[in-house]
Amino acid sequence: GAVVSQHPSWVICKSGTSVKIECRSLDFQATTMFWYRQFPKQSLMLMATSNEGSKATYEQGVEKDKFLINHASLTLSTLTVTSAHPEDSSFYICSARVYPEAFFGQGTRLTVV
Amino acid sequence: GENVEQHPSTLSVQEGDSAVIKCTYSDSASNYFPWYKQELGKRPQLIIDIRSNVGEKKDQRIAVTLNKTAKHFSLHITETQPEDSAVYFCAASNQAGTALIFGKGTTLSVSS
Repeated sequence: GAVVSQHPSWVICKSGTSVKIECRSLDFQATTMFWYRQFPKQSLMLMATSNEGSKATYEQGVEKDKFLINHASLTLSTLTVTSAHPEDSSFYICSARVYPEAFFGQGTRLTVV
Repeated sequence: GENVEQHPSTLSVQEGDSAVIKCTYSDSASNYFPWYKQELGKRPQLIIDIRSNVGEKKDQRIAVTLNKTAKHFSLHITETQPEDSAVYFCAASNQAGTALIFGKGTTLSVSS
């Protein structure tokens, strides 16, 4: 199957700083990638859809100025959590589809202290 | 947009029993329905999926059924084993370029 690679796997940052998470499709091109957030013992909640060469589409309730998404190439999408706060601590996971299947990155455990 | 409901949230069975998890979806245009198993801190692992042109699909001890009219689909695990204990998620999507929308998950516990 297709491979999606996400880095870093975990990161600890101080409150008020920014953190960038990378998501790469290693063996296929992805014009669209998806970013999810998963709080402990909860489901994967779609945050935004990342579109190569255009603006991301954010789900209702997700602050686009806080969660900056850049999809500059057909194999790379980045999610930057700006001015992180402890409530942003979560498991972030990206995904891309090779229809109909979805392939997921390893996920990033973000802890804001 | 799509909304996926999943029940039950927790399920406890004895080893060897069957387990059934049910999901309903809201968007009649949805045509792809995967099931995932997720271990803590790991990415979801696809265990079986079904497309809307099929009513049932089976892979060894795992089967999925789809009722398009009622807009629900179910995961069936037979002869459960302790290693089947995990969190299971259903999902749905309606187009190639759209995201999967997930149910809230079911924690399955299989006791020996």
